[in-house]
Amino acid sequence: VQLQESGPGLVKPSETLSLSCTVSGSSISSGYYWGWIRQPPGKGLEWIGSIYETGSTFYNPSLKSRLSMSVDTSKNQFSLRLRSLTAADTAVYYCARGADILTAYNTWGVDFDYWGQGTLVTVSS
Amino acid sequence: DIQMTQSPSTLSASIGDRVTITCRASQSISRWLAWYQQKPGKAPNLLIYRASSLEGGVPSRFSGSGSGTEFTLTISSLQPDDFATYYCQQYNYYPITFGPGTKVDIK
Repeated sequence: VQLQESGPGLVKPSETLSLSCTVSGSSISSGYYWGWIRQPPGKGLEWIGSIYETGSTFYNPSLKSRLSMSVDTSKNQFSLRLRSLTAADTAVYYCARGADILTAYNTWGVDFDYWGQGTLVTVSS
Repeated sequence: DIQMTQSPSTLSASIGDRVTITCRASQSISRWLAWYQQKPGKAPNLLIYRASSLEGGVPSRFSGSGSGTEFTLTISSLQPDDFATYYCQQYNYYPITFGPGTKVDIK
């Protein structure tokens, strides 16, 4: 299984970031969640959001107002759009597969077993 | 949100040492905990899921234990390839949250 992120490396403040993740070796319609995680330079990991093959999404509440994700099963890809960027959004963005899925009445979660190599996105004018 | 803490933040150890990293959750997460290893410039690599299940291809010197709010990752005999940063992640509650990381470096 391989995941590959693509998108711009430099985005201006207030603009929108669009990233795609192309999956190979695993169908995006095979019962997994597909997610995004980011890591500011020198800092820890932050979960951004995850999407299922049906388009069902879970977003980090801290980003929800600026975030949208989509899935394209015909291209075996999923995508992220993050609006109104600031310098605080500068990070390495990873896409990953969510494999061990917890789905219950009042909760949801996954771990991440395969990751892309990551792409550095810098927000600067 | 569930807050995850890790201790120590940095650990200096020698080849062959037994190493233990602790991860604590701000409330019970049952056994819905994963551990990752990350090397500089690389993506995290899943080591352990559901607190104690070894991911395929991960050396058996790695083991995880715990439940509820306290968890440990143990490396039974530290190897040169193990110098890295280790993160825990809870997935019992939405949103998913990660610990701040533990850096294992050479003593």
